[in-house]
Amino acid sequence: GIQVEQSPPDLILQEGANSTLRCNFSDSVNNLQWFHQNPWGQLINLFYIPSGTKQNGRLSATTVATERYSLLYISSSQTTDSGVYFCAVDTGAGGFKTIFGAGTRLFVKA
Amino acid sequence: DGGITQSPKYLFRKEGQNVTLSCEQNLNHDAMYWYRQDPGQGLRLIYYSQIVNDFQKGDIAEGYSVSREKKESFPLTVTSAQKNPTAFYLCASTGRANYGYTFGSGTRLTVV
Repeated sequence: GIQVEQSPPDLILQEGANSTLRCNFSDSVNNLQWFHQNPWGQLINLFYIPSGTKQNGRLSATTVATERYSLLYISSSQTTDSGVYFCAVDTGAGGFKTIFGAGTRLFVKA
Repeated sequence: DGGITQSPKYLFRKEGQNVTLSCEQNLNHDAMYWYRQDPGQGLRLIYYSQIVNDFQKGDIAEGYSVSREKKESFPLTVTSAQKNPTAFYLCASTGRANYGYTFGSGTRLTVV
């Protein structure tokens, strides 16, 4: 089946720094999502981005479907950005074929 | 506000006991899902349901059961057949257009 690899696995930033998280996938996908899981376990959908670039405040994401990767940019990081960032891909119609990566664990120091 | 409510937030299970985790949504979403998350790991699909009275096994369904009698509700039962149930359980839903998941806040299950 499709493989989803995220890098780096762990990341420590000083508050105010910028970072780029990467998601590689091994086959064609119908769509791709980025999620943030806060330290209390709540998962929030950040972007639904099968291709192209989207921005939401300090966060932006770019998916290059033909090259099978997606990038999540975090600018001017804040301590509230800490948590785990997951990339998830859909391989077919409907969410039941969604495959999650192992995540990037981010800690932002004050 | 629309959303997904999972209860309880914490649950302790004795060996050999069945327990049921609740998941309710008021988003009018058609599809609902149960995921399991182990420490430091990603999410693995247990069961999903696309319509009422229908559900399908995910990747790790053994030892679990579900029902979908109402559109709003998708309870998960962790049976005694699940030998390693200690984990964080997340319920999610998607609308017809499947523009993205909405997750509940999760239930942390521990075997004592």
